[in-house]
Amino acid sequence: KAGVTQTPRYLIKTRGQQVTLSCSPISGHRSVSWYQQTPGQGLQFLFEYFSETQRNKGNFPGRFSGRQFSNSRSEMNVSTLELGDSALYLCASSLAEPSSGNTIYFGEGSWLTVV
Amino acid sequence: TQLLEQSPQFLSIQEGENLTVYCNSSSVFSSLQWYRQEPGEGPVLLVTVVTGGEVKKLKRLTFQFGDARKDSSLHITAAQPGDTGLYLCAGAMGNTGKLIFGQGTTLQVKP
Repeated sequence: KAGVTQTPRYLIKTRGQQVTLSCSPISGHRSVSWYQQTPGQGLQFLFEYFSETQRNKGNFPGRFSGRQFSNSRSEMNVSTLELGDSALYLCASSLAEPSSGNTIYFGEGSWLTVV
Repeated sequence: TQLLEQSPQFLSIQEGENLTVYCNSSSVFSSLQWYRQEPGEGPVLLVTVVTGGEVKKLKRLTFQFGDARKDSSLHITAAQPGDTGLYLCAGAMGNTGKLIFGQGTTLQVKP
């Protein structure tokens, strides 16, 4: 059974540009969440989607957005990129409606470097 | 603000030694998960603990969830160089897929 798949794995963008990252959850999983990981801040929650609806949102500016499609695949977009957006962006999926003990599995991440 | 304090942040030990990593919070979690992350890769799930007081063992790793579901520990017995990596604890709050992560513990086991 394939794990969480993220594309692209590595990308370099220039300040002011926008970027779209893609995530395919584990087959059968309906919940997808996104995290940003940086050396200084660690892993921080961006947002969570379930059945194409955003269920939770972290404390990130409006430049960060996402969506989920009917097949549970998800994308996140960052507009007007800043140097500080350089990070590992991780997608995670879980089996069903988030509930107590619902295990969350991570993809390998997309490394974004903003120059 | 929900916080999960993880300690120690760095640990360098010799092969064969034992170690314990702690995660503490003032918040109650519905479950707590432990992950191990290699450089350049995503976190890999080690275990999920759900019930207060629960103890789970995974070979040389023992995980415990506090009775009040506010804290957890990871104990490694007879550490091996292959245990080297970043260990992360993450708490889930209620009916949500949002995880609150600790800062992580970088473990180095020297042969």
